[in-house]
Amino acid sequence: DGGITQSPKYLFRKEGQNVTLSCEQNLNHDAMYWYRQDPGQGLRLIYYSQIVNDFQKGDIAEGYSVSREKKESFPLTVTSAQKNPTAFYLCASSIGLRDRRLGYTFGSGTRLTVV
Amino acid sequence: AQSVTQPDIHITVSEGASLELRCNYSYGATPYLFWYVQSPGQGLQLLLKYFSGDTLVQGIKGFEAEFKRSQSSFNLRKPSVHWSDAAEYFCAVWSGYQKVTFGTGTKLQVIP
Repeated sequence: DGGITQSPKYLFRKEGQNVTLSCEQNLNHDAMYWYRQDPGQGLRLIYYSQIVNDFQKGDIAEGYSVSREKKESFPLTVTSAQKNPTAFYLCASSIGLRDRRLGYTFGSGTRLTVV
Repeated sequence: AQSVTQPDIHITVSEGASLELRCNYSYGATPYLFWYVQSPGQGLQLLLKYFSGDTLVQGIKGFEAEFKRSQSSFNLRKPSVHWSDAAEYFCAVWSGYQKVTFGTGTKLQVIP
């Protein structure tokens, strides 16, 4: 079945460390997104990409970086510049940016904790 | 700019009772509207969407939602709630141009 795979499910980061969250999709979708979820705050957009080798900042991009070298993959790096990284991170995709009217497909998320 | 409000943070209903979760949006024209459900520790799953046509939309898991332009609302309903419906529900809006905006969610508790 087609879908989005996020790994790992749980991730622990030490202070000053960079960590990378994986997101892979086999839906043949062009557009991919990263969201951060904190209790009571809904979902906030970190980065999005509509095509390979192109990505745009969302509302809370500071302290994060992404790459889109393959259509299927959109990894998110949480850098040491992100001062409060503990959160639940969700990857999503849509057929294209213009097809967001059809809704998103989400992965099952990665919970990142600073230790 | 578009925005979406879910006024109820937490709702408790008895199993078998009816359910209505509220969603109000702010946008000048008719937006695209969505409801998603999230089980604990999981991603979001699309329940239903509206972008034109019949204002009563049927979704998966027995849910429906009604778009009311005059009230800027898109409330989610289910006639009879099952214990497995306990989850968090998110309303989302998209104008067609900018980002999709999500509400802050409503947690549903189902009691026997």
